[in-house]
Amino acid sequence: AQTVTQSQPEMSVQEAETVTLSCTYDTSESDYYLFWYKQPPSRQMILVIRQEAYKQQNATENRFSVNFQKAAKSFSLKISDSQLGDAAMYFCAYRSVYLQGAQKLVFGQGTRLTINP
Amino acid sequence: KAGVTQTPRYLIKTRGQQVTLSCSPISGHRSVSWYQQTPGQGLQFLFEYFSETQRNKGNFPGRFSGRQFSNSRSEMNVSTLELGDSALYLCASRREVNSYEQYFGPGTRLTVT
Repeated sequence: AQTVTQSQPEMSVQEAETVTLSCTYDTSESDYYLFWYKQPPSRQMILVIRQEAYKQQNATENRFSVNFQKAAKSFSLKISDSQLGDAAMYFCAYRSVYLQGAQKLVFGQGTRLTINP
Repeated sequence: KAGVTQTPRYLIKTRGQQVTLSCSPISGHRSVSWYQQTPGQGLQFLFEYFSETQRNKGNFPGRFSGRQFSNSRSEMNVSTLELGDSALYLCASRREVNSYEQYFGPGTRLTVT
């Protein structure tokens, strides 16, 4: 079974600074998807960024980028120019591409990000 | 386009009762998944439905069940509620079973007393 680990329960950063959230995962599969989701206090989970394991290029979405290290099974999220609206719980998640595993997301425990003005 | 909607948003039940939660996916989405979120266990997969069929189920007791209707709306039911069932229940939809992107609803906060 796949597992996802986020070792930082809480992080804080000054507004406009850069912060990196860590995520490691364990799998024996060679192809899969990785995601970062954001859950603000309003609770609605929002997809921030995704990475396909077969792609070597790191995904980027505006101020959000990832550092995907497949061999190390590491998938960190970098938020540049942090904004107050970035404050939220961030979840790293794994999805298999294979039959039974593809139906579900496996989530890490989350990292609570605080933005200091 | 309307997002995933869940009703009710908040619910208080007594131990031993049963509860039904509802989820309406984004229009055109045929797959609906349910997750339980608790402070202790985090986010855990309950089940996924596609075309009215349960495709996969997480490691939850049989008290947790669900179904999907022909219009893709889904319900989940928890019978004989226990205090540990208190959680945020999230529903998520995606267009097809092989769609990587999943859209979440706001959740139903269930409190069991």
